[in-house]
Amino acid sequence: QKEVEQNSGPLSVPEGAIASLNCTYSDRGSQSFFWYRQYSGKSPELIMFIYSNGDKEDGRFTAQLNKASQYVSLLIRDSQPSDSATYLCAVSFMEYGNKLVFGAGTILRVKS
Amino acid sequence: SAVISQKPSRDICQRGTSLTIQCQVDSQVTMMFWYRQQPGQSLTLIATANQGSEATYESGFVIDKFPISRPNLTFSTLTVSNMSPEDSSIYLCSVEGQGLTDTQYFGPGTRLTVL
Repeated sequence: QKEVEQNSGPLSVPEGAIASLNCTYSDRGSQSFFWYRQYSGKSPELIMFIYSNGDKEDGRFTAQLNKASQYVSLLIRDSQPSDSATYLCAVSFMEYGNKLVFGAGTILRVKS
Repeated sequence: SAVISQKPSRDICQRGTSLTIQCQVDSQVTMMFWYRQQPGQSLTLIATANQGSEATYESGFVIDKFPISRPNLTFSTLTVSNMSPEDSSIYLCSVEGQGLTDTQYFGPGTRLTVL
């Protein structure tokens, strides 16, 4: 099992819908969990981080963490065409000195 | 978060040559990292740039190929040596956020094409 896994997509949702992006990770002393957004030709931009089980909301974004099931998800409410990008999940593992391990990313397409 | 700049933003180089990429931060940071993102792929950590000591390289990356300098807490360079077409990638520096453990912020990246 890869340390951090994501469905590559593309995930297509209509404008105004909820986009749900998922990420699973291996059990190597995971510490912190991050979601980055990367537009084509641009560098990754941090949009959410979560450390504890449960939900964390920031505007239209909600990160959900379930450590028992080893998954973290990102919900985007009221999806807009400008949300179309690749979303990268990253996890820091104690085993790796808390350095970030990135998933392959999920391509999201929001259709107007 | 810190403002990070990289130079050059892009370059086209010939096989066998070397390119040095600069990363400048507008505030002092402890941790700086260098990543590679090959076309259509995710990010792979090359090394951690340590101020005042040698960089710490990840498996598969060696100092002879990717020498790194970190002369102070706001600046680092990555050199891609003896380039081949397989080195064509985006190279990104990142810094750890102040007070936010493990959180990293990325520079704009350097798009390298090797012919």
